[in-house]
Amino acid sequence: EVHLVESGGDLVQPGGSLRLSCAVSGFTLTNFWLNWIRQSPGKGLETVATINEDGSKTYYLDSLKGRFTVSKDTATNSVTLRMNSLRAEDTAIYYCARGAYGTTGVLDYWGQGALVTVSS
Amino acid sequence: VLTQSPATLSLSPGARATLSCRASQSVSGFLAWYQQKPGQAPRLVIYDASNRATGIPARFSGSGSGTDFTLTISSLEPEDSAVYYCHQRSDWPHTFGPGTKVDIK
Repeated sequence: EVHLVESGGDLVQPGGSLRLSCAVSGFTLTNFWLNWIRQSPGKGLETVATINEDGSKTYYLDSLKGRFTVSKDTATNSVTLRMNSLRAEDTAIYYCARGAYGTTGVLDYWGQGALVTVSS
Repeated sequence: VLTQSPATLSLSPGARATLSCRASQSVSGFLAWYQQKPGQAPRLVIYDASNRATGIPARFSGSGSGTDFTLTISSLEPEDSAVYYCHQRSDWPHTFGPGTKVDIK
């Protein structure tokens, strides 16, 4: 059975850093695209970052301006989102989601989400 | 940019629900619909405009191409109460619409 479980959500001060992890099971990480999607009351659902099967291609939301980095770790069967220079507008629930059928954008399995709050 | 209408739909059980999603430029057939209930992650309902995801009941159907898309729920069940989002994967960044809330009264 496919599972994705996010961890690492926390309260962090503006300008701080945070690392979110998405532990996957039930499928082979190197066979699928993985995505990070966030949801906030102000901006709704946004696709933040995506990474391809072998981790050689990554794409990011333009407005992030290089502050976020996504990577895969096959040793731990997980995907990591490193977030730097955090701002209040990064406050959101962050979901990881699997891309189905060899795509990045058909999101067939989602984790339960991790809450990131950026506030002083 | 994806826009959805109406913002809220309030219907009785057994009624037919028609949700609309319009793209500001063509997304070809690369449009999906997701259902989200309170406190839960979104769930894939329809992908590539008209394909039902695994486990989705046959009362859900999708249609459209280019810029205009429709999600139809043929006969509403109480468990269909949720917010429905459309999502395009034609161009990066992939984007979501603002959602349509379906209330079963």
